[in-house]
Amino acid sequence: DAKTTQPNSMESNEEEPVHLPCNHSTISGTDYIHWYRQLPSQGPEYVIHGLTSNVNNRMASLAIAEDRKSSTLILHRATLRDAAVYYCILRPGNEKLTFGTGTRLTIIP
Amino acid sequence: DAGVIQSPRHEVTEMGQEVTLRCKPISGHDYLFWYRQTMMRGLELLIYFNNNVPIDDSGMPEDRFSAKMPNASFSTLKIQPSEPRDSAVYFCASNSDGGRRSPLHFGNGTRLTVT
Repeated sequence: DAKTTQPNSMESNEEEPVHLPCNHSTISGTDYIHWYRQLPSQGPEYVIHGLTSNVNNRMASLAIAEDRKSSTLILHRATLRDAAVYYCILRPGNEKLTFGTGTRLTIIP
Repeated sequence: DAGVIQSPRHEVTEMGQEVTLRCKPISGHDYLFWYRQTMMRGLELLIYFNNNVPIDDSGMPEDRFSAKMPNASFSTLKIQPSEPRDSAVYFCASNSDGGRRSPLHFGNGTRLTVT
C-alpha cells in the first residue's frame, strides 16, 4: 500500500482553524485519500475523503494538492472535542484500509 | 441504526483460556473487518469478510486466532489459548461495499487483558 507521512503531534488553540498535513508522494492515480480520527477510548471515526478535488462536509474540509502528493485536513474552528488522533490513509483498489501512526491533535483551551 | 456493536467491552482472562469476541455489523453492510490496536503496533488489520466469506486473513498473527462469520449479522474472533501478548483493543468495522469510496464504521472495541 502507498505510504503516508504525518507529523506525530500538533497543538492548536480552541476556536481557531487547524490544518493537519499529510504527504503521500507515492500515491497512484486511483487511490482515494481518506481521513479518520480516533477519540480517546473510541473506535476510529470517518471524517472525509477525496480523489482530486477539494471536499467539504459538516466535520471538515479536505484540500488536495494539484499533483495529489499531499493533502491537508482543515478543521475550521477547533473545539476541545476535536482532540484526537487523526489518520490520513490512501485507499487503493482493494478493500483494505491500512492505518499509519497518525497525528495526535491537542486542543489548548 | 445502532452502529457496529461489539461485546464484551472489557474482557479479563488468564493465560491459556479461550477468549471469544463478538461483533454485530450494521444491517445491510456486506464487508466486515477485524482490527487490533496496541501501543507498539498501532491499528492492524487482522482479517476481513465479504458476504460472510473470509477474503484476506494475512494479518491473523498465528493459528491461535480464528474468525468466523456464520451469518450477515454476526461475527466472532476467537483466541485459543490466549497469551499475555494478545492484550490489546480489538475493533470490528463494517461497510457497504468495501470500496475506495465507502467509509468504514467502527465499533467501540473490546479491551482484552490476558494475565
